[in-house]
Amino acid sequence: EPEVTQTPSHQVTQMGQEVILRCVPISNHLYFYWYRQILGQKVEFLVSFYNNEISEKSEIFDDQFSVERPDGSNFTLKIRSTKLEDSAMYFCARKTGDGNTIYFGEGSWLTVV
Amino acid sequence: GQNIDQPTEMTATEGAIVQINCTYQTSGFNGLFWYQQHAGEAPTFLSYNVLDGLEEKGRFSSFLSRSKGYSYLLLKELQMKDSASYLCARGANDYKLSFGAGTTVTVRA
Repeated sequence: EPEVTQTPSHQVTQMGQEVILRCVPISNHLYFYWYRQILGQKVEFLVSFYNNEISEKSEIFDDQFSVERPDGSNFTLKIRSTKLEDSAMYFCARKTGDGNTIYFGEGSWLTVV
Repeated sequence: GQNIDQPTEMTATEGAIVQINCTYQTSGFNGLFWYQQHAGEAPTFLSYNVLDGLEEKGRFSSFLSRSKGYSYLLLKELQMKDSASYLCARGANDYKLSFGAGTTVTVRA
C-alpha cells in the first residue's frame, strides 16, 4: 500500500513564525499520527488522531502544537511561534485497518532559523 | 518510561547474517515493529510481531518473546543496500509507537 503524502518536503522559517505541515492520506483511514525526529536522534511520538479527534498526545505536544482535519481529507500539524529547537523532520503516519502496519510519510524537514 | 534498548552499531560483510536484538518494557504491550531507515529518509516498515515466535519475510525475519520483553530482527544474505539504521518500536494503546535509538548496520564488501 502507498504511504501518505506530506507537504512541504522542506521548509525554512524564521523563529517565531507559524508553520503548517500537511499530510494527505491516499485513502480514508481513521488513525493518524505525527512523529518528529531531530537530526541524529530517535523518532518521537507527538500525537495520535482518531476519528477526527486527538486520541493521545505526548509531553512534547504542548500548546504550541495543534492538529486538525479541516476538510475531512488533509491532516495538518500547526506549530505556532516556532523555536530553534523545533527544527526536525516531521513524519505523518497512518495505521492500516488491521493494525498490523503503520506507514510513515516521506516527512517534512523543518528548519527554524 | 518506555525504554527500548538496542545496540548502537553493527558491522557485517556482504552475504553474512546479522541479528539485531531489542528489549522493551512489557506493560501495555501492543505489538513490536521493526523499521528500516536510510539517512535523511522516512522509516520503512519491515515487520510486526504481536504473538511469540518467528515471522519470516524473505531475507528478513523477526522474532518475539513477550514474556521476556525481547525481539530480534534477522537479516540474511546481507547486501550493500542493507546498510541503514534499523529501528525497533514498541506499540502501545492506539498503536502509538515508542522507538529505540536505532541500530546502524554497516555492510562491507
